[in-house]
Amino acid sequence: DAGVIQSPRHEVTEMGQEVTLRCKPISGHDYLFWYRQTMMRGLELLIYFNNNVPIDDSGMPEDRFSAKMPNASFSTLKIQPSEPRDSAVYFCASSLALHSYEQYFGPGTRLTVT
Amino acid sequence: AQSVAQPEDQVNVAEGNPLTVKCTYSVSGNPYLFWYVQYPNRGLQFLLKYITGDNLVKGSYGFEAEFNKSQTSFHLKKPSALVSDSALYFCAVRDPSGNTPLVFGKGTRLSVIA
Repeated sequence: DAGVIQSPRHEVTEMGQEVTLRCKPISGHDYLFWYRQTMMRGLELLIYFNNNVPIDDSGMPEDRFSAKMPNASFSTLKIQPSEPRDSAVYFCASSLALHSYEQYFGPGTRLTVT
Repeated sequence: AQSVAQPEDQVNVAEGNPLTVKCTYSVSGNPYLFWYVQYPNRGLQFLLKYITGDNLVKGSYGFEAEFNKSQTSFHLKKPSALVSDSALYFCAVRDPSGNTPLVFGKGTRLSVIA
Protein backbone atom coordinates (compact mmCIF):
# COMPACT_ATOMS: atom_id res chain seq x y z
CA ASP A 1 0.00 0.00 0.00
CA ALA A 2 1.24 3.51 -0.77
CA GLY A 3 0.26 4.77 2.64
CA VAL A 4 -1.77 7.91 3.28
CA ILE A 5 -1.50 10.28 0.34
CA GLN A 6 -1.88 14.03 0.66
CA SER A 7 -1.89 16.74 -1.96
CA PRO A 8 -0.56 19.24 -2.55
CA ARG A 9 2.62 18.91 -0.52
CA HIS A 10 3.11 22.67 -0.50
CA GLU A 11 0.59 25.44 -0.99
CA VAL A 12 1.27 29.14 -1.04
CA THR A 13 -1.72 31.42 -1.32
CA GLU A 14 -2.79 34.95 -0.62
CA MET A 15 -5.01 35.98 2.23
CA GLY A 16 -8.67 35.70 1.31
CA GLN A 17 -8.24 32.87 -1.16
CA GLU A 18 -9.87 29.49 -0.85
CA VAL A 19 -7.58 26.57 -0.08
CA THR A 20 -8.43 22.89 -0.51
CA LEU A 21 -6.28 20.14 0.92
CA ARG A 22 -6.78 16.56 -0.16
CA CYS A 23 -6.26 13.18 1.43
CA LYS A 24 -6.50 9.57 0.36
CA PRO A 25 -6.46 7.21 3.35
CA ILE A 26 -5.08 3.69 3.41
CA SER A 27 -7.52 1.32 1.77
CA GLY A 28 -9.72 -0.47 4.29
CA HIS A 29 -9.18 2.03 7.09
CA ASP A 30 -12.45 3.14 8.65
CA TYR A 31 -11.16 6.22 10.44
CA LEU A 32 -9.70 9.40 8.98
CA PHE A 33 -8.22 12.27 10.96
CA TRP A 34 -7.17 15.81 10.08
CA TYR A 35 -4.48 17.49 12.20
CA ARG A 36 -2.75 20.85 12.15
CA GLN A 37 0.80 21.35 13.40
CA THR A 38 2.39 24.67 14.30
CA MET A 39 5.36 25.62 16.44
CA MET A 40 3.12 27.53 18.83
CA ARG A 41 0.29 25.03 19.28
CA GLY A 42 1.95 21.73 18.44
CA LEU A 43 -0.24 18.99 16.96
CA GLU A 44 -3.99 19.71 17.03
CA LEU A 45 -6.78 17.34 16.04
CA LEU A 46 -9.21 19.24 13.85
CA ILE A 47 -11.82 16.64 12.92
CA TYR A 48 -12.19 12.92 12.43
CA PHE A 49 -14.47 10.66 10.43
CA ASN A 50 -15.72 7.12 10.88
CA ASN A 51 -17.00 5.39 7.76
CA ASN A 52 -17.15 8.77 5.99
CA VAL A 53 -19.28 10.36 8.74
CA PRO A 54 -17.83 13.25 10.77
CA ILE A 55 -17.72 12.22 14.42
CA ASP A 56 -16.07 15.13 16.20
CA ASP A 57 -15.31 18.51 14.65
CA SER A 58 -14.78 20.36 17.92
CA GLY A 59 -11.18 21.03 16.96
CA MET A 60 -12.07 22.97 13.84
CA PRO A 61 -10.94 26.49 14.67
CA GLU A 62 -13.57 28.54 12.89
CA ASP A 63 -16.41 28.42 10.42
CA ARG A 64 -13.86 29.20 7.74
CA PHE A 65 -12.74 25.58 8.04
CA SER A 66 -14.78 22.72 6.63
CA ALA A 67 -14.06 19.06 5.92
CA LYS A 68 -15.82 16.44 3.87
CA MET A 69 -15.43 12.77 3.13
CA PRO A 70 -17.60 11.94 0.13
CA ASN A 71 -16.35 8.35 -0.04
CA ALA A 72 -14.04 5.94 1.73
CA SER A 73 -11.02 6.87 -0.34
CA PHE A 74 -11.11 10.65 -0.36
CA SER A 75 -11.37 13.56 2.03
CA THR A 76 -10.91 17.32 1.73
CA LEU A 77 -10.17 20.09 4.19
CA LYS A 78 -11.18 23.50 2.94
CA ILE A 79 -10.33 26.93 4.28
CA GLN A 80 -12.36 29.83 2.94
CA PRO A 81 -11.27 32.57 3.22
CA SER A 82 -7.71 31.82 4.26
CA GLU A 83 -5.78 34.01 6.70
CA PRO A 84 -2.05 34.25 7.51
CA ARG A 85 -2.64 32.60 10.90
CA ASP A 86 -3.78 29.47 9.05
CA SER A 87 -0.19 28.90 7.93
CA ALA A 88 0.77 25.48 9.27
CA VAL A 89 1.43 21.90 8.26
CA TYR A 90 -1.79 19.95 7.86
CA PHE A 91 -1.67 16.18 8.31
CA CYS A 92 -4.15 13.54 7.39
CA ALA A 93 -4.05 10.17 9.17
CA SER A 94 -6.06 6.98 8.98
CA SER A 95 -6.55 3.88 11.10
CA LEU A 96 -8.40 0.57 10.93
CA ALA A 97 -10.32 1.36 14.10
CA LEU A 98 -10.02 3.43 17.25
CA HIS A 99 -9.48 0.61 19.69
CA SER A 100 -5.86 -0.41 19.94
CA TYR A 101 -4.87 0.47 16.42
CA GLU A 102 -2.20 2.95 15.52
CA GLN A 103 -2.82 5.84 13.18
CA TYR A 104 -0.85 6.17 9.97
CA PHE A 105 0.06 9.69 8.93
CA GLY A 106 0.48 11.21 5.52
CA PRO A 107 3.46 13.41 4.63
CA GLY A 108 1.51 16.60 5.28
CA THR A 109 0.68 19.75 3.36
CA ARG A 110 2.67 22.85 4.24
CA LEU A 111 0.34 25.81 3.85
CA THR A 112 1.64 29.35 3.69
CA VAL A 113 -0.87 32.19 3.55
CA THR A 114 0.65 35.58 2.73
CA ALA B 1 -10.56 12.77 30.44
CA GLN B 2 -7.33 11.37 29.09
CA SER B 3 -4.13 13.37 28.88
CA VAL B 4 -0.45 12.88 28.30
CA ALA B 5 2.54 14.95 29.36
CA GLN B 6 6.04 15.10 27.95
CA PRO B 7 7.92 17.11 30.57
CA GLU B 8 10.98 17.84 28.42
CA ASP B 9 10.84 20.02 25.32
CA GLN B 10 14.39 19.06 24.40
CA VAL B 11 16.70 16.14 25.20
CA ASN B 12 20.36 16.15 24.23
CA VAL B 13 22.47 13.02 24.30
CA ALA B 14 25.85 12.01 22.98
CA GLU B 15 26.03 9.39 20.27
CA GLY B 16 26.50 5.93 21.76
CA ASN B 17 24.97 6.88 25.10
CA PRO B 18 21.61 5.57 26.26
CA LEU B 19 18.64 7.84 25.72
CA THR B 20 15.35 8.30 27.54
CA VAL B 21 12.39 10.40 26.45
CA LYS B 22 9.84 10.77 29.22
CA CYS B 23 6.07 10.45 29.07
CA THR B 24 3.41 10.38 31.76
CA TYR B 25 -0.29 9.87 31.23
CA SER B 26 -3.66 10.23 32.89
CA VAL B 27 -6.63 7.99 32.05
CA SER B 28 -9.46 6.56 34.08
CA GLY B 29 -8.68 2.91 33.33
CA ASN B 30 -5.91 0.89 31.75
CA PRO B 31 -4.33 2.91 28.96
CA TYR B 32 -3.34 2.20 25.41
CA LEU B 33 0.00 3.96 24.91
CA PHE B 34 1.89 4.84 21.76
CA TRP B 35 5.13 6.44 20.64
CA TYR B 36 5.59 8.21 17.32
CA VAL B 37 8.63 9.82 15.71
CA GLN B 38 8.66 12.74 13.28
CA TYR B 39 11.68 13.43 11.12
CA PRO B 40 12.07 16.86 9.49
CA ASN B 41 9.48 17.58 6.81
CA ARG B 42 7.80 14.22 7.32
CA GLY B 43 4.61 12.91 8.88
CA LEU B 44 4.49 11.14 12.22
CA GLN B 45 5.68 7.56 12.08
CA PHE B 46 4.53 4.84 14.46
CA LEU B 47 7.30 3.38 16.67
CA LEU B 48 5.63 1.12 19.22
CA LYS B 49 2.60 0.63 21.42
CA TYR B 50 1.54 -0.91 24.70
CA ILE B 51 -1.88 -2.52 24.83
CA THR B 52 -1.56 -5.31 27.38
CA GLY B 53 0.89 -7.95 28.53
CA ASP B 54 4.62 -7.49 29.03
CA ASN B 55 5.41 -4.04 30.41
CA LEU B 56 8.50 -3.76 28.21
CA VAL B 57 7.58 -3.14 24.61
CA LYS B 58 10.06 -3.30 21.76
CA GLY B 59 9.59 -1.32 18.59
CA SER B 60 11.24 -0.07 15.44
CA TYR B 61 14.85 1.10 15.11
CA GLY B 62 15.92 -0.46 18.42
CA PHE B 63 13.58 1.61 20.56
CA GLU B 64 11.73 0.22 23.53
CA ALA B 65 9.38 1.61 26.15
CA GLU B 66 8.41 0.48 29.61
CA PHE B 67 4.88 0.77 30.93
CA ASN B 68 4.86 1.60 34.64
CA LYS B 69 1.35 1.63 36.03
CA SER B 70 2.26 2.84 39.51
CA GLN B 71 4.10 5.83 38.11
CA THR B 72 1.69 6.29 35.19
CA SER B 73 4.65 6.50 32.86
CA PHE B 74 5.66 5.16 29.47
CA HIS B 75 9.23 6.33 28.88
CA LEU B 76 10.91 5.69 25.53
CA LYS B 77 14.41 4.28 25.67
CA LYS B 78 17.26 3.16 23.47
CA PRO B 79 20.51 1.61 24.75
CA SER B 80 22.80 3.39 22.28
CA ALA B 81 21.76 6.59 20.51
CA LEU B 82 22.54 7.33 16.88
CA VAL B 83 22.81 10.73 15.24
CA SER B 84 20.03 9.58 12.91
CA ASP B 85 17.70 9.26 15.93
CA SER B 86 17.56 13.05 16.12
CA ALA B 87 13.90 13.90 15.60
CA LEU B 88 10.69 14.98 17.33
CA TYR B 89 9.09 12.28 19.47
CA PHE B 90 5.43 12.16 20.45
CA CYS B 91 3.77 10.10 23.15
CA ALA B 92 0.04 9.38 22.78
CA VAL B 93 -2.62 7.78 24.97
CA ARG B 94 -6.07 6.38 24.52
CA ASP B 95 -8.60 5.38 27.12
CA PRO B 96 -10.06 2.09 25.82
CA SER B 97 -13.23 2.55 27.88
CA GLY B 98 -14.25 5.49 25.73
CA ASN B 99 -14.76 6.11 22.06
CA THR B 100 -12.17 8.80 21.52
CA PRO B 101 -9.08 8.96 19.34
CA LEU B 102 -5.47 9.23 20.45
CA VAL B 103 -4.43 12.19 22.55
CA PHE B 104 -0.91 13.34 21.70
CA GLY B 105 1.67 15.03 23.88
CA LYS B 106 3.41 18.22 22.82
CA GLY B 107 6.48 16.37 21.62
CA THR B 108 10.10 16.17 22.74
CA ARG B 109 12.91 17.14 20.42
CA LEU B 110 15.81 14.70 20.66
CA SER B 111 19.23 15.81 19.52
CA VAL B 112 21.98 13.21 19.33
CA ILE B 113 25.41 14.79 19.14
CA ALA B 114 28.30 13.06 17.43
